Amino acid sequence: EVVMTQSPATLSVSPGERATLSCRASESIGRALAWFQQKPGQAPRLLIYGASSRATGIPARFSGSGSETEFTLTISSLQSEDFAVYYCQQYDNWPPYSFGQGTRVEIK
Amino acid sequence: QVQLVESGGDVVQPGKSLRLSCAASGFSFSSYGIHWVRQSPDKGLEWVAFISYDGSTEYYGDSVQGRFTVSRENSRNTVYLQMGTLRSEDTAVYYCAKESWLNNRAYPSHWGQGTRVTVSS
Repeated sequence: EVVMTQSPATLSVSPGERATLSCRASESIGRALAWFQQKPGQAPRLLIYGASSRATGIPARFSGSGSETEFTLTISSLQSEDFAVYYCQQYDNWPPYSFGQGTRVEIK
Repeated sequence: QVQLVESGGDVVQPGKSLRLSCAASGFSFSSYGIHWVRQSPDKGLEWVAFISYDGSTEYYGDSVQGRFTVSRENSRNTVYLQMGTLRSEDTAVYYCAKESWLNNRAYPSHWGQGTRVTVSS
């Protein structure tokens, strides 16, 4: 099973600043990585797939990069609506799909 | 637009059974696989099960293997998750998610709003 590890667990950022979230896979997954945003009481929403492709309707301030075992989600200028929990997920080697434990982005 | 609506969540006693439904619309349902993913406060997001577009292939997570069964009725645009011998650790919000494809790899692109299952005596 591929284990996904996200860091940091919590990221404190001021509005307008840049946020950088990391995700590491325990083995190579190519670019088969997705990023999701989840707000309280809501379902996860797809942000990024294929490591760097933005999903429909996702603002350009969200960008993904990386390959193999190291991946990054960058939010270039945090807006108030971006404070949420972010999960990475690999879909290269499954079952099972595996998710990271999440990074909470909070207001500094 | 793609819409997935889960239902059937409830409070049930340990050892009992429950069936969840996932009703889909806005896409060619019989062409896509569907996943079930659950979320509990202490375990984060956990993949539970998958059924292929035609129902010929099923996969299960280790924690539910042998207790849960996924099925689908393409004529009704609905996927089911039959949950048996429920345990307290099955308490979670259950989501269904539609797959999408890129470069021969499928990812969960659209999610329902979830249905809550509580297992408690």
